Amino acid sequence: DAKTTQPPSMDCAEGRAANLPCNHSTISGNEYVYWYRQIHSQGPQYIIHGLKNNETNEMASLIITEDRKSSTLILPHATLRDTAVYYCIVMVGDDKIIFGKGTRLHILP
Amino acid sequence: GAVVSQHPSRVICKSGTSVKIECRSLDFQATTMFWYRQFPKQSLMLMATSNEGSKATYEQGVEKDKFLINHASLTLSTLTVTSAHPEDSSFYICSARDPAGGNTIYFGEGSWLTVV
Repeated sequence: DAKTTQPPSMDCAEGRAANLPCNHSTISGNEYVYWYRQIHSQGPQYIIHGLKNNETNEMASLIITEDRKSSTLILPHATLRDTAVYYCIVMVGDDKIIFGKGTRLHILP
Repeated sequence: GAVVSQHPSRVICKSGTSVKIECRSLDFQATTMFWYRQFPKQSLMLMATSNEGSKATYEQGVEKDKFLINHASLTLSTLTVTSAHPEDSSFYICSARDPAGGNTIYFGEGSWLTVV
């Protein structure tokens, strides 16, 4: 069973920041928050992960609340190529990934 | 990020035959690889976990004699669909854990299998 809750779909205007929420209220102290996305007919792509500090890389930023019960993935300037299903996953470092249904993000021109 | 490659990307086979899909970690050594299956408009379903040099661990409901997994080296795992039937037609995706890269898991591009 997935340990996270995500909205099934979201829309975002091209050029705007896309903020994708994820609830993980039962997260354990040693579990990381990972984000992946799957563009249609491709394998999932790793985006970012974090434990408790906010993280940023060339693709996105990850904001984790202080109690770690929720997080937000931020795509700072969304483009049409960011249209995908985004998966928020909670797991320890040597665990396997069990996918939930994710959030289908539509970028609107 | 690290690169995982699958081959073939698309394959069509006749019902009753077997087909092999390869998964390679190109720039890291993966002690653990995973195989998933995805049907249209559904999420990825984990089929099995493959550890180098040992037998794969299959998820509940996945037939180990039908989906043969071999992980003979640190950079290669194979999935063989034996006696394929049209209902085995699906998108098969592998992934590999990079132990030297913070244990991050990277996915291959996926392989489309069509059984006719």
